[in-house]
Amino acid sequence: QVQLVQSGAEVKKPGASVKVSCKASGYTFTDYYIHWVRQAPGQGFEWIGWINPKSGDTNYAQKFQGWVTMTRDTSISTAFLQLSRPRSDDTAFYFCARVGYYYDSSGPFDCWGQGTLVTVSS
Amino acid sequence: EIVLTQSPATLSLSPGERATLSCRASQSVSDYLAWYQQKPGQAPRLLIYDASHRATGTPTRFSGSGSGTDFTLTISRLEPEDFAVYYCHQRSNWVTFGQGTRLEIK
Repeated sequence: QVQLVQSGAEVKKPGASVKVSCKASGYTFTDYYIHWVRQAPGQGFEWIGWINPKSGDTNYAQKFQGWVTMTRDTSISTAFLQLSRPRSDDTAFYFCARVGYYYDSSGPFDCWGQGTLVTVSS
Repeated sequence: EIVLTQSPATLSLSPGERATLSCRASQSVSDYLAWYQQKPGQAPRLLIYDASHRATGTPTRFSGSGSGTDFTLTISRLEPEDFAVYYCHQRSNWVTFGQGTRLEIK
Protein backbone atom coordinates (compact mmCIF):
# COMPACT_ATOMS: atom_id res chain seq x y z
CA GLN A 1 0.00 0.00 0.00
CA VAL A 2 1.05 3.60 -0.49
CA GLN A 3 3.01 4.74 2.54
CA LEU A 4 5.20 7.63 3.64
CA VAL A 5 7.43 6.99 6.64
CA GLN A 6 9.25 9.88 8.26
CA SER A 7 12.35 10.04 10.42
CA GLY A 8 12.19 10.34 14.18
CA ALA A 9 11.86 13.30 16.49
CA GLU A 10 14.62 15.90 16.63
CA VAL A 11 15.70 18.32 19.34
CA LYS A 12 17.89 21.18 18.19
CA LYS A 13 19.29 24.39 19.59
CA PRO A 14 18.31 27.61 17.84
CA GLY A 15 20.36 28.07 14.69
CA ALA A 16 21.33 24.40 14.37
CA SER A 17 20.29 22.88 11.07
CA VAL A 18 17.86 19.95 11.06
CA LYS A 19 16.98 17.52 8.27
CA VAL A 20 13.81 15.41 8.16
CA SER A 21 13.35 12.47 5.79
CA CYS A 22 10.23 11.00 4.18
CA LYS A 23 10.57 7.53 2.62
CA ALA A 24 7.95 6.50 0.08
CA SER A 25 6.81 2.98 -0.67
CA GLY A 26 4.00 1.23 -2.51
CA TYR A 27 4.17 3.44 -5.61
CA THR A 28 6.61 4.94 -8.11
CA PHE A 29 8.26 7.74 -6.14
CA THR A 30 9.00 9.93 -9.17
CA ASP A 31 5.38 9.96 -10.37
CA TYR A 32 3.85 12.04 -7.56
CA TYR A 33 4.80 15.41 -6.08
CA ILE A 34 5.56 15.66 -2.37
CA HIS A 35 4.50 18.63 -0.24
CA TRP A 36 5.68 19.56 3.23
CA VAL A 37 3.34 21.03 5.82
CA ARG A 38 3.88 21.84 9.48
CA GLN A 39 1.63 21.97 12.52
CA ALA A 40 2.66 23.62 15.75
CA PRO A 41 1.39 21.65 18.77
CA GLY A 42 -2.34 22.19 19.15
CA GLN A 43 -2.49 24.47 16.11
CA GLY A 44 -3.53 24.35 12.45
CA PHE A 45 -1.48 23.63 9.34
CA GLU A 46 1.03 25.81 7.55
CA TRP A 47 2.19 24.97 4.03
CA ILE A 48 5.94 24.99 3.42
CA GLY A 49 6.28 23.98 -0.23
CA TRP A 50 6.62 21.11 -2.69
CA ILE A 51 9.22 19.11 -4.55
CA ASN A 52 8.96 17.34 -7.90
CA PRO A 53 10.66 14.02 -7.13
CA LYS A 54 11.49 13.39 -10.78
CA SER A 55 13.21 16.69 -11.63
CA GLY A 56 14.06 17.96 -8.17
CA ASP A 57 12.29 21.26 -8.89
CA THR A 58 10.95 22.98 -5.81
CA ASN A 59 8.50 25.71 -4.88
CA TYR A 60 8.51 27.29 -1.44
CA ALA A 61 6.02 29.47 0.37
CA GLN A 62 7.45 32.96 0.65
CA LYS A 63 7.86 32.71 4.40
CA PHE A 64 10.24 29.77 4.04
CA GLN A 65 12.31 30.95 1.09
CA GLY A 66 16.00 31.25 1.86
CA TRP A 67 16.12 29.02 4.92
CA VAL A 68 14.26 25.84 3.94
CA THR A 69 15.59 23.35 1.39
CA MET A 70 13.76 20.39 -0.11
CA THR A 71 15.73 17.66 -1.82
CA ARG A 72 15.23 14.05 -2.80
CA ASP A 73 17.19 10.88 -3.44
CA THR A 74 15.40 8.81 -6.06
CA SER A 75 17.65 5.78 -5.44
CA ILE A 76 16.04 5.36 -2.01
CA SER A 77 12.63 6.92 -2.80
CA THR A 78 13.11 9.52 -0.10
CA ALA A 79 12.37 13.21 0.16
CA PHE A 80 14.12 15.51 2.61
CA LEU A 81 13.31 18.80 4.30
CA GLN A 82 16.15 20.82 5.77
CA LEU A 83 15.62 23.78 8.07
CA SER A 84 18.61 26.04 8.49
CA ARG A 85 18.80 28.55 11.33
CA PRO A 86 15.54 27.41 12.99
CA ARG A 87 14.12 29.42 15.86
CA SER A 88 12.05 28.36 18.82
CA ASP A 89 8.83 29.27 17.01
CA ASP A 90 9.68 26.69 14.35
CA THR A 91 8.93 23.98 16.89
CA ALA A 92 6.25 21.88 15.21
CA PHE A 93 5.27 18.56 13.70
CA TYR A 94 6.54 18.46 10.12
CA PHE A 95 4.54 16.31 7.70
CA CYS A 96 5.25 15.17 4.18
CA ALA A 97 2.21 14.51 2.00
CA ARG A 98 1.70 13.07 -1.47
CA VAL A 99 -0.41 14.80 -4.10
CA GLY A 100 -3.05 12.33 -5.18
CA TYR A 101 -2.92 13.27 -8.86
CA TYR A 102 -0.35 11.76 -11.22
CA TYR A 103 2.59 14.13 -11.85
CA ASP A 104 0.70 17.22 -10.71
CA SER A 105 2.02 19.80 -8.27
CA SER A 106 -1.50 20.64 -7.15
CA GLY A 107 -4.01 18.26 -5.72
CA PRO A 108 -5.48 16.80 -2.58
CA PHE A 109 -3.03 15.10 -0.24
CA ASP A 110 -4.03 11.46 -0.35
CA CYS A 111 -1.24 10.05 1.80
CA TRP A 112 0.62 11.66 4.70
CA GLY A 113 3.68 10.73 6.66
CA GLN A 114 3.21 10.17 10.37
CA GLY A 115 4.83 13.49 11.20
CA THR A 116 8.20 14.39 12.75
CA LEU A 117 8.31 16.55 15.85
CA VAL A 118 11.10 19.10 15.62
CA THR A 119 11.75 20.88 18.88
CA VAL A 120 13.94 23.97 18.80
CA SER A 121 15.02 24.98 22.27
CA SER A 122 18.08 26.33 23.99
CA GLU B 1 -3.26 34.52 0.47
CA ILE B 2 -6.66 32.86 0.53
CA VAL B 3 -7.98 32.61 4.06
CA LEU B 4 -10.25 29.70 4.95
CA THR B 5 -12.57 30.27 7.89
CA GLN B 6 -14.15 27.21 9.47
CA SER B 7 -17.20 27.27 11.68
CA PRO B 8 -18.06 26.44 14.29
CA ALA B 9 -14.74 26.10 16.10
CA THR B 10 -16.25 23.35 18.25
CA LEU B 11 -19.34 21.26 17.58
CA SER B 12 -20.84 19.14 20.36
CA LEU B 13 -23.13 16.37 19.19
CA SER B 14 -24.21 12.86 20.10
CA PRO B 15 -23.67 9.65 18.12
CA GLY B 16 -26.43 9.21 15.59
CA GLU B 17 -26.90 12.96 15.07
CA ARG B 18 -26.15 14.88 11.89
CA ALA B 19 -23.08 17.14 11.74
CA THR B 20 -22.72 20.12 9.45
CA LEU B 21 -19.31 21.79 9.21
CA SER B 22 -18.65 24.96 7.24
CA CYS B 23 -15.60 26.31 5.41
CA ARG B 24 -15.67 29.77 3.85
CA ALA B 25 -12.95 31.10 1.55
CA SER B 26 -11.92 34.76 1.36
CA GLN B 27 -12.08 34.50 -2.45
CA SER B 28 -13.26 31.89 -4.91
CA VAL B 29 -11.37 28.59 -4.92
CA SER B 30 -13.65 27.04 -7.56
CA ASP B 31 -14.01 23.43 -6.39
CA TYR B 32 -10.37 23.00 -5.37
CA LEU B 33 -11.24 22.23 -1.79
CA ALA B 34 -10.56 19.14 0.30
CA TRP B 35 -11.56 17.98 3.76
CA TYR B 36 -9.40 16.02 6.20
CA GLN B 37 -10.01 14.29 9.50
CA GLN B 38 -7.31 14.31 12.17
CA LYS B 39 -7.34 12.32 15.39
CA PRO B 40 -4.94 12.99 18.30
CA GLY B 41 -1.40 11.88 17.57
CA GLN B 42 -2.20 10.98 13.98
CA ALA B 43 -1.63 12.42 10.54
CA PRO B 44 -4.61 13.85 8.69
CA ARG B 45 -6.71 11.54 6.56
CA LEU B 46 -8.22 12.72 3.27
CA LEU B 47 -12.02 12.44 3.29
CA ILE B 48 -13.30 14.61 0.46
CA TYR B 49 -11.49 16.14 -2.52
CA ASP B 50 -12.54 18.64 -5.16
CA ALA B 51 -15.41 19.74 -2.92
CA SER B 52 -17.67 16.72 -3.28
CA HIS B 53 -15.73 13.58 -4.20
CA ARG B 54 -15.25 10.96 -1.53
CA ALA B 55 -11.71 9.65 -1.25
CA THR B 56 -11.08 5.92 -1.37
CA GLY B 57 -12.29 4.37 1.86
CA THR B 58 -14.38 7.32 3.01
CA PRO B 59 -17.71 6.08 4.39
CA THR B 60 -20.82 7.17 2.53
CA ARG B 61 -22.12 9.03 5.61
CA PHE B 62 -19.56 11.74 4.75
CA SER B 63 -20.51 14.15 1.99
CA GLY B 64 -19.12 17.41 0.71
CA SER B 65 -20.81 20.23 -1.14
CA GLY B 66 -20.24 23.78 -2.33
CA SER B 67 -18.19 25.74 -4.79
CA GLY B 68 -16.64 29.16 -5.05
CA THR B 69 -16.40 30.45 -1.49
CA ASP B 70 -18.82 28.37 0.61
CA PHE B 71 -18.36 24.71 1.39
CA THR B 72 -19.96 22.19 3.71
CA LEU B 73 -18.93 18.83 5.09
CA THR B 74 -21.89 16.80 6.30
CA ILE B 75 -21.78 13.64 8.37
CA SER B 76 -25.24 12.14 8.13
CA ARG B 77 -25.23 9.96 11.26
CA LEU B 78 -22.30 10.28 13.62
CA GLU B 79 -20.42 7.17 14.62
CA PRO B 80 -18.17 7.12 17.73
CA GLU B 81 -15.05 7.09 15.53
CA ASP B 82 -16.08 10.34 13.81
CA PHE B 83 -15.25 12.55 16.78
CA ALA B 84 -12.08 14.31 15.72
CA VAL B 85 -10.83 17.59 14.26
CA TYR B 86 -11.73 18.42 10.66
CA TYR B 87 -9.77 20.72 8.38
CA CYS B 88 -10.49 22.18 4.97
CA HIS B 89 -7.69 22.82 2.46
CA GLN B 90 -7.65 24.87 -0.74
CA ARG B 91 -5.23 24.47 -3.65
CA SER B 92 -6.64 27.10 -5.99
CA ASN B 93 -4.00 29.67 -5.13
CA TRP B 94 -0.96 28.27 -3.35
CA VAL B 95 -2.05 26.13 -0.40
CA THR B 96 -3.85 27.13 2.77
CA PHE B 97 -5.83 25.35 5.46
CA GLY B 98 -8.69 26.32 7.70
CA GLN B 99 -8.10 26.48 11.44
CA GLY B 100 -10.19 23.38 12.07
CA THR B 101 -13.50 22.36 13.64
CA ARG B 102 -13.35 20.13 16.69
CA LEU B 103 -16.23 17.65 16.72
CA GLU B 104 -16.73 16.46 20.28
CA ILE B 105 -19.10 14.08 21.99
CA LYS B 106 -21.94 15.81 23.79
